[in-house]
Amino acid sequence: ETGVTQSPTHLIKTRGQQVTLRCSSQSGHNTVSWYQQALGQGPQFIFQYYREEENGRGNFPPRFSGLQFPNYSSELNVNALELDDSALYLCASSSGLAGGRAQYFGPGTRLTVL
Amino acid sequence: SQQGEEDPQALSIQEGENATMNCSYKTSINNLQWYRQNSGRGLVHLILIRSNEREKHSGRLRVTLDTSKKSSSLLITASRAADTASYFCATDAGGSQGNLIFGKGTKLSVKP
Repeated sequence: ETGVTQSPTHLIKTRGQQVTLRCSSQSGHNTVSWYQQALGQGPQFIFQYYREEENGRGNFPPRFSGLQFPNYSSELNVNALELDDSALYLCASSSGLAGGRAQYFGPGTRLTVL
Repeated sequence: SQQGEEDPQALSIQEGENATMNCSYKTSINNLQWYRQNSGRGLVHLILIRSNEREKHSGRLRVTLDTSKKSSSLLITASRAADTASYFCATDAGGSQGNLIFGKGTKLSVKP
């Protein structure tokens, strides 16, 4: 059973650019959630995908968008990057809808916006 | 917005001692989960306790939940240097989405 993987590990972008982060869910999991973790803070929920449809969104602007593919892997896209977007981006997968279930996190992508 | 608040923010103990971390939250929950994070890496799920449970054990971990006080505690017994990490509580307000709302975490340092 493979765990959650994310790519790339680190990324440096400049303000105004666009970025795509990728996540492969744990084998057998069809739900992926994305979180943003600023330095010294807890993770904040961005959105969740279940069976290729968005199933909930946190308090993030529309320039944060996502996709889930038929194999349940997922992408997080951020347009018009701002300095405050610098953070660790975590994806988490679960089997079925995530309510009441443990979520399994990937190692994260560290994004730095200059 | 943050739902949970961990206390203390930082804790330093010697190997072999017990570590207790507390979490308070604001609204009703269906369950509460504890996660560990090593050095800004991914989070590892430790334990999930449902709102109708008062105590749960997993190995050296003991979690309690008091819904009347909207609080939970995580006890790590006989701590080891490898337990050095940040610990987060996360509440799940329910519904199919089940997105987690995390606190800021407790940074635990276990000295050999």
